[in-house]
Amino acid sequence: GDSVTQMEGPVTLSEEAFLTINCTYTATGYPSLFWYVQYPGEGLQLLLKATKADDKGSNKGFEATYRKETTSFHLEKGSVQVSDSAVYFCALREGGGADGLTFGKGTHLIIQP
Amino acid sequence: DTAVSQTPKYLVTQMGNDKSIKCEQNLGHDTMYWYKQDSKKFLKIMFSYNNKELIINETVPNRFSPKSPDKAHLNLHINSLELGDSAVYFCASSQAGTGRFTEAFFGQGTRLTVV
Repeated sequence: GDSVTQMEGPVTLSEEAFLTINCTYTATGYPSLFWYVQYPGEGLQLLLKATKADDKGSNKGFEATYRKETTSFHLEKGSVQVSDSAVYFCALREGGGADGLTFGKGTHLIIQP
Repeated sequence: DTAVSQTPKYLVTQMGNDKSIKCEQNLGHDTMYWYKQDSKKFLKIMFSYNNKELIINETVPNRFSPKSPDKAHLNLHINSLELGDSAVYFCASSQAGTGRFTEAFFGQGTRLTVV
């Protein structure tokens, strides 16, 4: 079945540091890929998505590129802020219809001032 | 207006009780889901409903029964609660017709604690 693997945290960085959170996936077909963010005490919000190979999703300074050859969708940000502290989830959707999302285990990011 | 809203936000109850969590979406979507997030933050789909019809029913104890009175509502009823049911339950919705491209919109979650 489908699966998503991402680096487990916590990941602790200083403000203005460069961020990379790795995500790789296994799928039988051609999935769409997503990054969701969960701030403390809140639900999940879509951060960005990409639906085909070499697509780059971007939002709020975060970027991720759909790499079909390496089955990866790594999340990057050039300069993190304290307000970026949250749990980040990589996810995929393979089918249409009412298929749900398959999530990675989440990466807890802590940004220190 | 909140797009996907769940009530209650917190639920503390004793083992053996029966409880319900309600979810409503005002996005006009035709598909709704329940996800369970365990203590390690792992998210797993429990149920999926499309136009009030059950589509996905993952390996979930039959003490959990979803009910969808209409496309905008999906409730989760849990019988005979057990300690292991303690988790955060998220409701979500999406539009199935856009296929694999569509993201899901999530509610704020319901933190269920069974004591």
